[in-house]
Amino acid sequence: GAVVSQHPSRVICKSGTSVKIECRSLDFQATTMFWYRQFPKKSLMLMATSNEGSKATYEQGVEKDKFLINHASLTLSTLTVTSAHPEDSSFYICSARDRLAGLDNEQFFGPGTRLTVL
Amino acid sequence: AQSVAQPEDQVNVAEGNPLTVKCTYSVSGNPYLFWYVQYPNRGLQFLLKYITGDNLVKGSYGFEAEFNKSQTSFHLKKPSALVSDSALYFCAVRDRGGGNKLTFGTGTQLKVEL
Repeated sequence: GAVVSQHPSRVICKSGTSVKIECRSLDFQATTMFWYRQFPKKSLMLMATSNEGSKATYEQGVEKDKFLINHASLTLSTLTVTSAHPEDSSFYICSARDRLAGLDNEQFFGPGTRLTVL
Repeated sequence: AQSVAQPEDQVNVAEGNPLTVKCTYSVSGNPYLFWYVQYPNRGLQFLLKYITGDNLVKGSYGFEAEFNKSQTSFHLKKPSALVSDSALYFCAVRDRGGGNKLTFGTGTQLKVEL
């Protein structure tokens, strides 16, 4: 089946530092990947849509200069949280759609990254 | 704009009993509908989807869901619940009119007890 990995699974950093999270599609190619943020016991909030070879599309209210997204290849997208603050602490989840699948195909989700900013 | 409502924050059911997790949706056109399950500190796992055809969709782990266009609902069901089914369940919708964006409900915590 389609597998999406995320690295790291958990990261703790100091306030003011930047953190990079990787999302990889392991057995398929993804022209589109998605980055979500999930607060405790809350639904997923779509932050941005990552498009291979072009700029990401950010949802309203998401600061693109703070959450830098790079989709360098058909199997890798990265989310960099710049100048992290404690309020950025959250569970970040990525997902990907197989580029060869139809529009009705489901998204496959990564296992998530727990970010804690001290 | 598309939206999903999961009216129950939590559903409790005894093992062996049938379970239902409710979901209603709103889209401008015809929907693609999905159910995902999330275990603690994990990503989402796909359970099932409705695209077209038979309104009763069967998915993983014995789950099924029924698409009801008139009621704009897509309730998740299982005839006999297991303790291992305890998890957080999300309903999601995508307007087949265009775009990749999935909209999720707020999630329903299912607790199956012995």
